[in-house]
Amino acid sequence: GIQVEQSPPDLILQEGANSTLRCNFSDSVNNLQWFHQNPWGQLINLFYIPSGTKQNGRLSATTVATERYSLLYISSSQTTDSGVYFCAVDMIYNQGGKLIFGQGTELSVKP
Amino acid sequence: ETGVTQTPRHLVMGMTNKKSLKCEQHLGHNAMYWYKQSAKKPLELMFVYNFKEQTENNSVPSRFSPECPNSSHLFLHLHTLQPEDSALYLCASSQLDSGYEQYFGPGTRLTVT
Repeated sequence: GIQVEQSPPDLILQEGANSTLRCNFSDSVNNLQWFHQNPWGQLINLFYIPSGTKQNGRLSATTVATERYSLLYISSSQTTDSGVYFCAVDMIYNQGGKLIFGQGTELSVKP
Repeated sequence: ETGVTQTPRHLVMGMTNKKSLKCEQHLGHNAMYWYKQSAKKPLELMFVYNFKEQTENNSVPSRFSPECPNSSHLFLHLHTLQPEDSALYLCASSQLDSGYEQYFGPGTRLTVT
């Protein structure tokens, strides 16, 4: 079946450090999204990035669709960045809307 | 209200109760979704509605019954649930002819006793 694998599963950072989260997927996609889930369960949209590179403040993301992976970069991390980061994909042969989620990366930023 | 809203935010129900979860999207989208997130697990897609028509039922037990009366509202009717159904239930919406990016509501945390 469809595989979405995220690494690392857990990450502990000191405030101010940089990090890279990775998402590998097993098939061509027409949608790839990165989310941050806060401690209350809310999923916050970070990037919609089926291909290419985008930046939003301290966060940036790159998806290399031909090699079936995406990277999320967090620079100068802050304690408010703590939470679980999910990658989710929608395979290209779907009609749309069937997001498959990875297992997530749980990030803890220490002051 | 903006974005996607869900009510109630928390729900405790017994196994013999009947309750409903409500989702409303204020984004003008034409597709809505229900996801389930059990503790320490990723989200699992339950149902998809495109233009008010159900197009996906991801092998969900019949004790979960979705209803989509219009493109802005989505319900999940619950009856005779089991304790293992305790989870965070998240609703999302998207615009199908514009890239499929999904936006999520805050979720309903359900506990079945």
